[in-house]
Amino acid sequence: DGGITQSPKYLFRKEGQNVTLSCEQNLNHDAMYWYRQDPGQGLRLIYYSQIVNDFQKGDIAEGYSVSREKKESFPLTVTSAQKNPTAFYLCASSTRRQGLNQPQHFGDGTRLSIL
Amino acid sequence: GIQVEQSPPDLILQEGANSTLRCNFSDSVNNLQWFHQNPWGQLINLFYIPSGTKQNGRLSATTVATERYSLLYISSSQTTDSGVYFCAVDETSGSRLTFGEGTQLTVNP
Repeated sequence: DGGITQSPKYLFRKEGQNVTLSCEQNLNHDAMYWYRQDPGQGLRLIYYSQIVNDFQKGDIAEGYSVSREKKESFPLTVTSAQKNPTAFYLCASSTRRQGLNQPQHFGDGTRLSIL
Repeated sequence: GIQVEQSPPDLILQEGANSTLRCNFSDSVNNLQWFHQNPWGQLINLFYIPSGTKQNGRLSATTVATERYSLLYISSSQTTDSGVYFCAVDETSGSRLTFGEGTQLTVNP
């Protein structure tokens, strides 16, 4: 089935430790995105990538890093510099058709907690 | 950046009731999407509707781009409609979605 796969579903991190969240899509979408959601709030954009080997900071990029070496994959690393990493992380992808942006589709998310 | 306001923040209904959720945005948009987030956190696409009206079963949506608002209608609500409804907009051609704070809908049997 075509879709977006995020792993793991749950992740625990110790203080001072970097962790990497995986996002893979088989929709052949060019653009991929990472969002963060805190309890009771909407989603906020961390990073996005519109093409392989290129990415841009979103609204809350501090303490995070990404790479886009393959079209299908857009991993997010939560570094020790992120002071409050406990949150729900969602990955999305989208494409363009006839010059128009198409809707973003989301994975099922990863819940990150600090031990 | 663009501001997105959703109302009401919370809504409690009896099964079978109808409801209207509103999304106001502060600038012109190229993209507007409505999502339903279920209790497990899954974000489900409902509508991609930068302008006009669309219907999908018991749900319909209308966006009046010139007046900078969108409405989501839920008719004959069911308990499975419970969850958070988000409106998200993109003011640029780069597909950067800005989300509202959501409407928490509870449908009681």
